[in-house]
Amino acid sequence: NAGVTQTPKFQVLKTGQSMTLQCAQDMNHEYMSWYRQDPGMGLRLIHYSVGAGITDQGEVPNGYNVSRSTTEDFPLRLLSAAPSQTSVYFCASSYSAINEQFFGPGTRLTVL
Amino acid sequence: AQKITQTQPGMFVQEKEAVTLDCTYDTSDPSYGLFWYKQPSSGEMIFLIYQGSYDQQNATEGRYSLNFQKARKSANLVISASQLGDSAMYFCAMRAMNTNAGKSTFGDGTTLTVKP
Repeated sequence: NAGVTQTPKFQVLKTGQSMTLQCAQDMNHEYMSWYRQDPGMGLRLIHYSVGAGITDQGEVPNGYNVSRSTTEDFPLRLLSAAPSQTSVYFCASSYSAINEQFFGPGTRLTVL
Repeated sequence: AQKITQTQPGMFVQEKEAVTLDCTYDTSDPSYGLFWYKQPSSGEMIFLIYQGSYDQQNATEGRYSLNFQKARKSANLVISASQLGDSAMYFCAMRAMNTNAGKSTFGDGTTLTVKP
């Protein structure tokens, strides 16, 4: 099993550009989440999903969109990048709400 | 709304000694789970231990134990016999089980440094 994979590992954007961060898992997990981690801080929830076709907002959803068309994939779209979105983005999945989350390696995003 | 508070930004412990990392939480959900994760300097997130809100006994996993005091809304992590490899950032997290099931909240973390 590859676990949770994220692409790209690093990305530099200019203000106003859009892009999609990819996340995939091969563990047949229903629950998937996107977090951002700013330097020296904890993880803040952006969006999460409890199954294909079901998504909901987390703590900091503004500027980001998600969709979940399959169990395996949960892409995160930045609509119009801003310097405040410079961060490390983690995708995570779990079998259920009472199980631990498995995290991807993260995407380090810089917005100039 | 959920909230996790970790009041110790940094902690030091001597190798082979025990250390307690504090975590308090707040939630209106009657059913929830509490988790601890470790983040080494390499950046990956590693699951350590889980405690359910209805579990009667404190969770243990090897050298890790969770001191769960529901009335005080605390879920402290105890690491016994600290090792140099335990130096890392530690995050306490909560997850709702009923309303907004799956929604997670993390604390700001505690940086643990183990001294030889």
